Amino acid sequence: GDSVTQMEGPVTLSEEAFLTINCTYTATGYPSLFWYVQYPGEGLQLLLKATKADDKGSNKGFEATYRKETTSFHLEKGSVQVSDSAVYFCALINPADYKLSFGAGTTVTVRA
Amino acid sequence: DAGVIQSPRHEVTEMGQEVTLRCKPISGHDYLFWYRQTMMRGLELLIYFNNNVPIDDSGMPEDRFSAKMPNASFSTLKIQPSEPRDSAVYFCASGRGTYGYTFGSGTRLTVV
Repeated sequence: GDSVTQMEGPVTLSEEAFLTINCTYTATGYPSLFWYVQYPGEGLQLLLKATKADDKGSNKGFEATYRKETTSFHLEKGSVQVSDSAVYFCALINPADYKLSFGAGTTVTVRA
Repeated sequence: DAGVIQSPRHEVTEMGQEVTLRCKPISGHDYLFWYRQTMMRGLELLIYFNNNVPIDDSGMPEDRFSAKMPNASFSTLKIQPSEPRDSAVYFCASGRGTYGYTFGSGTRLTVV
């Protein structure tokens, strides 16, 4: 079956630091890839997505590029803020069944 | 667009009681998912529907759990009888396949 593996947390950073969260996937076919974010006490929000190889998704200063050759979709932000403290989930949707599969989530804490 | 609406937001019930969680998906969305989130197990897919038909219920933990989608604008997740280990946040999400899915704010269930 499909699976998503993302780096374990927690990750603690200082404000304005560079953030990278690694994500790799295993899937049959050609999945669409997503990053979701969950702020404390809230539901999951779609942060960005990419639907084909070499597509770059971006939102709120975050970016991720769909790398089919390495089956990866790493999340990056050049300068984090305290407000970026959240849990980040990498996910995929397989067009064979449209099931949404999540990674385990990475907790990010940004300190002022 | 009111988003995915879940009710109630919080539910506290006694062990052995029946609990019903409700979800109203976004109009026009043909996929609906139910997830459960706990600290120990993270996000777990319980069941998902396509055009009101259950597609995969392999994540439903046991016969105490049941889910229905009688029409395109309403779904329920029922636990009968409830147990303390069912305490979790339950999320509903809806969407149209590879475009991504929108999550509700969740129902925090506490079984005492």
